[in-house]
Amino acid sequence: RKEVEQDPGPFNVPEGATVAFNCTYSNSASQSFFWYRQDCRKEPKLLMSVYSSGNEDGRFTAQLNRASQYISLLIRDSKLSDSATYLCVVNRGNQGGKLIFGQGTELSVKP
Amino acid sequence: NAGVTQTPKFRILKIGQSMTLQCAQDMNHNYMYWYRQDPGMGLKLIYYSVGAGITDKGEVPNGYNVSRSTTEDFPLRLELAAPSQTSVYFCASSDNSYNSPLHFGNGTRLTVT
Repeated sequence: RKEVEQDPGPFNVPEGATVAFNCTYSNSASQSFFWYRQDCRKEPKLLMSVYSSGNEDGRFTAQLNRASQYISLLIRDSKLSDSATYLCVVNRGNQGGKLIFGQGTELSVKP
Repeated sequence: NAGVTQTPKFRILKIGQSMTLQCAQDMNHNYMYWYRQDPGMGLKLIYYSVGAGITDKGEVPNGYNVSRSTTEDFPLRLELAAPSQTSVYFCASSDNSYNSPLHFGNGTRLTVT
């Protein structure tokens, strides 16, 4: 089992759609969780951190479920500019310094 | 604001050649990382460092070496290049490993033929 596993893509959705991505992690000691966005194999950029209580940033909502060891990202009212690969990142809580990436989920938003 | 600077941007190596990928950050971050990304895949951690003089292996360290003599610099060395090392290499830094996001360089696209 991979340490960090994401929904396989690609997701093809029309503009305005709501789309959700899931990510599971295997290390129960993990303490920090992030979603990154990557465009066309450029460098990943932080989209949002994920907090235990869940957090929202505009059209984006991130949730963490520690009991089930998964995090999610919800994108509402999809825009063409949301087309990218979304990467889930988890730290190995008992091995400080190791931030592990999922394989990414590709999103394509169509007109 | 330079952030994380990687050089070179592109490089083609012949099998068996060696090279050093340079990475420098000007944010006084303690933590630095090297990742590789193969086509259609996520990023794999090669090596990381929690401070000057301290380095540790990541998920895929074989074939690579690193050093961290200063806070600013974290070079990645390939001693005997192999086709399997064809990839995009990203360097990143953060001010601590648990709560801080990663700041990435622009990447180095390496082809070994």
